Amino acid sequence: QLHLQESGPGLVKPSETLSLTCIVSGDSISSYPAYYWGWVRQPPGKGLEWIAAMSYSGGSFYNPSLKSRAAISVDMSKNEFSLTLSSVTAADGALYFCARMVWSFWDLWGQGTLVTVSS
Amino acid sequence: EIVLTQSPATLSVSPGERVTLSCRASESVRSYLAWYQHKPGQAPRVLIFDAFTRATGIPARFSGSGSGTDFTLTISRLEAEDSAIYYCQQRNTWPLTFGPGTRVEIK
Repeated sequence: QLHLQESGPGLVKPSETLSLTCIVSGDSISSYPAYYWGWVRQPPGKGLEWIAAMSYSGGSFYNPSLKSRAAISVDMSKNEFSLTLSSVTAADGALYFCARMVWSFWDLWGQGTLVTVSS
Repeated sequence: EIVLTQSPATLSVSPGERVTLSCRASESVRSYLAWYQHKPGQAPRVLIFDAFTRATGIPARFSGSGSGTDFTLTISRLEAEDSAIYYCQQRNTWPLTFGPGTRVEIK
């Protein structure tokens, strides 16, 4: 059974770059060439916000509200995918989820990792 | 960007009652709309995808309807465990967008 687990620093300083990794276990990312792998976040007391998504076969998409600060990548050798978010501010503090999208919906999620932006 | 609007923002309902949640899109998303249930401390769970298809393992009391710009999630008989925030999400056009959510509280 496929399982997703986020890994991240917990605390990031303002203006620095946040790096998160989603470790995929139970099967290979390459077994799902038509699926998308991505990130969704939830700021404290707010709703869900989609950040980025990419498919193994290529093609990545980003939320334009992040103004090119986000980058998503996949490491097939480690069976994981990652998110970097540059120039973070307090507004980037959130619970970050990695997830898999099949066709039109997110069907599998990690448990989430909390990121705080503070000096 | 397609904006999703959900109503009401909060709903307080007694167990056994019928619940109807609305999601409206700023432009047509055809049938590419999903509903999620999100409880504190948990990952969101998909309930309905493609407007009316119930996801695997979701109880039959959850149903979805609509197409184009107007969608509805119905819980036929509310149970205590259904206390959560419910989000709609569209996939018709990038960027993907979520609605602001409807909080369902149990009286």
